[in-house]
Amino acid sequence: QLVLTQSPSASASLGASVKLTCTLSSGHSSYAIAWHQQQPEKGPRYLMKLNSDGSHSKGDGIPDRFSGSSSGAERYLTISSLQSEDEADYYCQTWGTGLWVFGGGTKLTVL
Amino acid sequence: EVQLVESGGGLVKPGGSLRLSCAASGFTFSSYSMNWVRQAPGKGLEWVSSISSSSSYIYYADSVKGRFTISRDNAKNSLYLQMNSLRAEDTAVYYCARVHGSGSYWFDYWGQGTLVTVSS
Repeated sequence: QLVLTQSPSASASLGASVKLTCTLSSGHSSYAIAWHQQQPEKGPRYLMKLNSDGSHSKGDGIPDRFSGSSSGAERYLTISSLQSEDEADYYCQTWGTGLWVFGGGTKLTVL
Repeated sequence: EVQLVESGGGLVKPGGSLRLSCAASGFTFSSYSMNWVRQAPGKGLEWVSSISSSSSYIYYADSVKGRFTISRDNAKNSLYLQMNSLRAEDTAVYYCARVHGSGSYWFDYWGQGTLVTVSS
C-alpha cells in the first residue's frame, strides 16, 4: 500500500534552517513526490517535484531557500534562512495508478 | 497567470446533494488533467477525484466512489464535482488542483477552496 509518513510537527528559529522528512512506504522507495506548502487559512501552494535521485524542479516563484533531496525511501525538504512566512503546514504527495496520496503533513513553527 | 476559482460550497443536510465548480483561467484548460482534493476541518489533505484532459480517464477515492461524479467542460474552462448522498464526514474545504502537464502526475496549481458543510 502506497503511504507517505511525515512527522506531525517541527520547529526552528528565525534565520535558521530546517529539514522536513517524508518517508515512502516499503516497496515504493523509487517514487517521486511533490512538496506543497499551506499557510494558515490559505490554499496549498506547490513547492517542488522531487525525484528519487534528489533532482528537483521548483514551482513558479519559489525562492532558492527551498531545496529538496532524497535518500532511499526518504524525501527531504530543506528550508534555509527561515522567515516568519515559512510558518505553515507542509505536505508531500505521491501518485500511483489511478490514485494520489498525501502525507499527513508537518506543521512548521518558526520560533 | 494561472487561476483556479472554486464555487458552489455551502450547508447541506445529510443525504443531500451539491455541485461544485472550478473556473480555470490563464492556461489552456483542455490540455491538463484536473483533480479535486479536500481538507476536513483541522485535518490534512485528501485526494478525492481526478479527470484527464479529454475526460477519458476518471478516478475516485474509495471514500467517495459511487457518490461523487467528476466532470469537465473544456469549452467553458470549468471543472465540476457532483456530490450526492452526502455524509457528515464529507464536510471539508474542497480544492481543485491542476496536474503539471501531459505525462505528469503532481499538482502544480491550486484554488483557494470552497467549504462544504454537511449537517442537519
